Amino acid sequence: QKEVEQNSGPLSVPEGAIASLNCTYSDRGSQSFFWYRQYSGKSPELIMFIYSNGDKEDGRFTAQLNKASQYVSLLIRDSQPSDSATYLCAVMTGGTSYGKLTFGQGTILTVHP
Amino acid sequence: NAGVTQTPKFRILKIGQSMTLQCTQDMNHNYMYWYRQDPGMGLKLIYYSVGAGITDKGEVPNGYNVSRSTTEDFPLRLELAAPSQTSVYFCASSRQGDLYNEQFFGPGTRLTVL
Repeated sequence: QKEVEQNSGPLSVPEGAIASLNCTYSDRGSQSFFWYRQYSGKSPELIMFIYSNGDKEDGRFTAQLNKASQYVSLLIRDSQPSDSATYLCAVMTGGTSYGKLTFGQGTILTVHP
Repeated sequence: NAGVTQTPKFRILKIGQSMTLQCTQDMNHNYMYWYRQDPGMGLKLIYYSVGAGITDKGEVPNGYNVSRSTTEDFPLRLELAAPSQTSVYFCASSRQGDLYNEQFFGPGTRLTVL
């Protein structure tokens, strides 16, 4: 089982719809979770992080965390063509992994007009 | 602030050649990281450093070496390049290894080994 696994894409949604991106992780000691957006040919940039169970909202983005189910998701409301990118889920654990991220393989999102 | 800068942007190597990928950050961050990203894949950690003089292996360190003599610079050395090292390499830095801290990425180096 992969340490961090994202739902296979690509994901295509119409403009204005809700895009739902999912991520599961295997290490129960994982404590902090990140969503990075990566445009084609560019470097990743952080858009959300979450460490407590429940929802965290920032503008059109909502991150959801369920540690019991080892599941984290990202919802993008009112999707725009400019949201078309690869979304990377990353997990940070404590202990000797302090400061290191483990990334999922990414989900390609396409928002069509 | 320039943030994290990397050179070169592109490079083609022949099998068996060596090269150094440069990475510099001007944010006075303690932690620095090297990742590689293969097509359609996520990022794999090669090496990381928690401060000048301190480095440690990540998930895929074979075929690479690093050094950290200053806070700002974290070069990655490829010895005896192989086609399997064809990838995009990203350098990143963060203020410290806090669980809630953001990693800032450089623009990447696209390396092809033929």
